Amino acid sequence: ETGVTQSPTHLIKTRGQQVTLRCSSQSGHNTVSWYQQALGQGPQFIFQYYREEENGRGNFPPRFSGLQFPNYSSELNVNALELDDSALYLCASSDNRGINEKLFFGSGTQLSVL
Amino acid sequence: EDQVTQSPEALRLQEGESSSLNCSYTVSGLRGLFWYRQDPGKGPEFLFTLYSAGEEKEKERLKATLTKKESFLHITAPKPEDSATYLCAVQVSGGGADGLTFGKGTHLIIQP
Repeated sequence: ETGVTQSPTHLIKTRGQQVTLRCSSQSGHNTVSWYQQALGQGPQFIFQYYREEENGRGNFPPRFSGLQFPNYSSELNVNALELDDSALYLCASSDNRGINEKLFFGSGTQLSVL
Repeated sequence: EDQVTQSPEALRLQEGESSSLNCSYTVSGLRGLFWYRQDPGKGPEFLFTLYSAGEEKEKERLKATLTKKESFLHITAPKPEDSATYLCAVQVSGGGADGLTFGKGTHLIIQP
């Protein structure tokens, strides 16, 4: 069984640019969640996709958007990057919309915004 | 607003020295409380889920317990490989989002 894989591992962007991060979920999982983890903080929930539709969102502005594809892989898009967007972005997959289910996390994409 | 507070922020122990990590929570309705372990440069790794007060779960040197206001992660006779950041998270019943609310974590160092 393959785990959750994320790409790229590291990324440097400048303020105002746009970025796309990618995630392949664990085999058999139909739910993907994205989290932002700033240095020294716990992960913060951005949104969740279940069967290609967004079905939950945390306290993040609309410039954070996503997609889930028929094979359950996913993308996180961030427009108009700000310095505070610098963080580790984690993707997690699960089954059953993640309700009472453990999440399987990838190793993340470290985004630096200059 | 749902809140999760972990203490201490950092803990340094000698190998074999048992201790406990605390996670206190304030939520409107608890669906589940989760413990994860995170190593540097990696994503969190699932340890336990607890659903109701009085529940306990064990795995090797770790034991998690839950009350109506807090959870403890007890570490018995730790080894250097137990060094990591331990994260507590809650999932709240109801509402539109099923995401987890995490605490800031406890950074645990076990010295040989």
